[in-house]
Amino acid sequence: GENVEQHPSTLSVQEGDSAVIKCTYSDSASNYFPWYKQELGKRPQLIIDIRSNVGEKKDQRIAVTLNKTAKHFSLHITETQPEDSAVYFCAASISNQFYFGTGTSLTVIP
Amino acid sequence: NAGVTQTPKFQVLKTGQSMTLQCAQDMNHNSMYWYRQDPGMGLRLIYYSASEGTTDKGEVPNGYNVSRLNKREFSLRLESAAPSQTSVYFCASSEWGQGAYEQYFGPGTRLTVT
Repeated sequence: GENVEQHPSTLSVQEGDSAVIKCTYSDSASNYFPWYKQELGKRPQLIIDIRSNVGEKKDQRIAVTLNKTAKHFSLHITETQPEDSAVYFCAASISNQFYFGTGTSLTVIP
Repeated sequence: NAGVTQTPKFQVLKTGQSMTLQCAQDMNHNSMYWYRQDPGMGLRLIYYSASEGTTDKGEVPNGYNVSRLNKREFSLRLESAAPSQTSVYFCASSEWGQGAYEQYFGPGTRLTVT
């Protein structure tokens, strides 16, 4: 099956700086790559996603890039704010199944 | 529109007891999923149902059974609970395959097996 690796596991940034989280996947047939934000004790919430026929997608301060050749995709958060502090998960989807990375705990220091 | 709902929110079981986790969605989605979330492990798929009447194993199906009761409801059963099944369980649904892929998650069930 698909294997998704996510780095780093923890990330601390100063407020206003950028944060980058990277994921790799193993199955070239994966065609959908969502990113989820999970606050403590809450459910995962989709923040941005990208399909395999697109290289980059941006939504305000959040962007995702996809390199199909290298099988990796990244989440970029600019101008970080304290409310961005949470655990972020990447995922790769193939044939109606979703495979998740192990998560990145992001702390934004005011 | 409640989205995805789960019951119960919390549960404590003794080893060997059984229980069923309930999940329902009101978005008319075809696909439904059960995940478990353990510290440092991310979300791992237990079972999924691509459409009413079908179920398939995910990454970690051992010790669990599922039932897709109708299009709205997808239940997860632990026949003989073990401490290794202590986890947070999330149900999700999506319209995967119909041009929309986003998964919507329920609020989760925190299960402790002693």
